[in-house]
Amino acid sequence: TAGITQAPTSQILAAGRSMTLRCTQDMRHNAMYWYRQDLGLGLRLIHYSNTAGTTGKGEVPDGYSVSRANTDDFPLTLASAVPSQTSVYFCASSVQREGAEQFFGPGTRLTVL
Amino acid sequence: GQNIDQPTEMTATEGAIVQINCTYQTSGFNGLFWYQQHAGEAPTFLSYNVLDGLEEKGRFSSFLSRSKGYSYLLLKELQMKDSASYLCAGMDSNYQLIWGAGTKLIIKP
Repeated sequence: TAGITQAPTSQILAAGRSMTLRCTQDMRHNAMYWYRQDLGLGLRLIHYSNTAGTTGKGEVPDGYSVSRANTDDFPLTLASAVPSQTSVYFCASSVQREGAEQFFGPGTRLTVL
Repeated sequence: GQNIDQPTEMTATEGAIVQINCTYQTSGFNGLFWYQQHAGEAPTFLSYNVLDGLEEKGRFSSFLSRSKGYSYLLLKELQMKDSASYLCAGMDSNYQLIWGAGTKLIIKP
């Protein structure tokens, strides 16, 4: 079982360009999340989805959008990248949002120049 | 506001015991999580406490005091592979995890 996969592993992106980070899980989890992790800071929630067809904003949603067309996939799109979006991005999933362990993907290291 | 505080770095000796403390302030409370993160890797789940007291799981134990807004992670019989960052996270009333910046644990032989 793969668990959660993310693609790409890393990417260098020119400022102003758009990009979609991909996330797929095979555990049939209802809830999915996108976090960014920056040095010296805790993980910060960008967007989440309680179940297929629904999404919600987290702590730092500006500049990012998500969709949840089905249970397995939860792509994160940067419409027009800026250098402050340089970070490591983690996708995660859990059976449900309430009090459940979150399983993390391997992460995408994004550099915006 | 919501906040999680934990030490930035700790050093311990192989075979010893170490306690990593965490204090939290969240809007409502739905439990306290501990995760382990090795350098360059994803966080992995260690423990979840929602009631006061100690939960033991092999070499790792986690304690919660809701009245004090306090938790700790206890690691016994330290091994070199325990060198990692340990992340404390509180779940608020909206079931959102509020994460601390992590405690980097360095194990010396």
